[in-house]
Order: sequence, then structure tokens, then C-alpha cells
Amino acid sequence: GENVEQHPSTLSVQEGDSAVIKCTYSDSASNYFPWYKQELGKRPQLIIDIRSNVGEKKDQRIAVTLNKTAKHFSLHITETQPEDSAVYFCAASFKTGNQFYFGTGTSLTVIP
Amino acid sequence: DTEVTQTPKHLVMGMTNKKSLKCEQHMGHRAMYWYKQKAKKPPELMFVYSYEKLSINESVPSRFSPECPNSSLLNLHLHALQPEDSALYLCASSQDVGRPLWDEQYFGPGTRLTVT
Repeated sequence: GENVEQHPSTLSVQEGDSAVIKCTYSDSASNYFPWYKQELGKRPQLIIDIRSNVGEKKDQRIAVTLNKTAKHFSLHITETQPEDSAVYFCAASFKTGNQFYFGTGTSLTVIP
Repeated sequence: DTEVTQTPKHLVMGMTNKKSLKCEQHMGHRAMYWYKQKAKKPPELMFVYSYEKLSINESVPSRFSPECPNSSLLNLHLHALQPEDSALYLCASSQDVGRPLWDEQYFGPGTRLTVT
């Protein structure tokens, strides 16, 4: 089955620095890659997604890059702020249905 | 309305109780999902309904019984649960535009379930 690996599991950065979270996937048929942010006690919220027909997508301070050949995709957050502190999950679509494989999550802490 | 709502927010139940979780969306989405999430872990898919029909059951024990009365509502009936079933239960919905296209899943706030 599909396997999505996510690294690092925890990440601490100083406010204003950049944060990068990386995921790799195994199913070459995966073609949709969302990123979710989950604050403590709250629901996962979609922050950005990318489809396999593009290599990069940007939305203000957040960007996602996709390398289909290498089967990895990354989340980049620039000019981090304390409110970016949360757990971030990557996901990859599964070929046979409305399913995502979620990565194991990255706990990001932005130190003021 | 771009929200998925869930009730109740919190639920404590004994192992012999029967209870139900409810989920509602008014975005016209045709796919609805139940996930289970343990602390510090990713959501685990339990069930998927597509156009009100159960399309995926991820080998979930029969003590969890989903129901989709109409395209806006999704229920999860609980019976004879175990303490290890304590978790955050998340509902989600999406357009279901059909493979190979994909669309965003929107999550509800979840029901925090404790089984005693």
C-alpha cells in the first residue's frame, strides 16, 4: 500500500526564520498532495495543496514544491510567526478511492 | 456556508452505552468521511460515503456503524465501545468530482470521545 513518510517529526525555529517540512510517497499514481495545519484541540485545516501537473505553488508565506520523479514534496513557510506553531500533516492521494494517506505529522514551534 | 459541523463536541460514554455522533455540511459536497484521530497522530480513515452510498470501510469493527440519511448528514452510531476507542472523531466532506481528479477535504471540529 501507499506509504507517506514525513520529516522532521518536530521542528523549532526562531520567529522570522524559514521552516521546511518534507514528505516522500511510494505510490506513483498519487496525483494530489494537500497540507493540513492542526492547532492543539482544533480541526485539521487545509493550508495549501498541489496537483501533479505543477511543480510549485505559492500562497503568501507558504509554498509547496513537488518532485514527481523523486516522489517527494515539501512545505516551505517563510518569515515564520508564533501563530504558525501547530502540527502539520502532509497527505497523498490514493489511486483507488477518495482516500488520502497522511504523513505522521510535524510539530512546529516558532520561538518568539 | 463553508463549514462542516459536528455534535456533540465532547462525549463520555460507558462500554455498554449506545450513542451517536452527528455531522452536517451544506456545501453541496457529495463525499463524506469519518476519521479517528489519536493524540499526536494523523487522522485514520474509517468510512467514506460517496453520493450517500458507503464506498469505503477501512475494516472498522462493527461496534462503529455509519449512516448517511441524506447528502448533508452523516452519523456514526456507537455501541459497546472499548476504552481504546477513546479519540477525536473527525468528519470531513469533499465535492467528489471523480477520479482521477481530486478535491479538498474540509474537516469538522471533531467530537472528543471518552469511553469509560
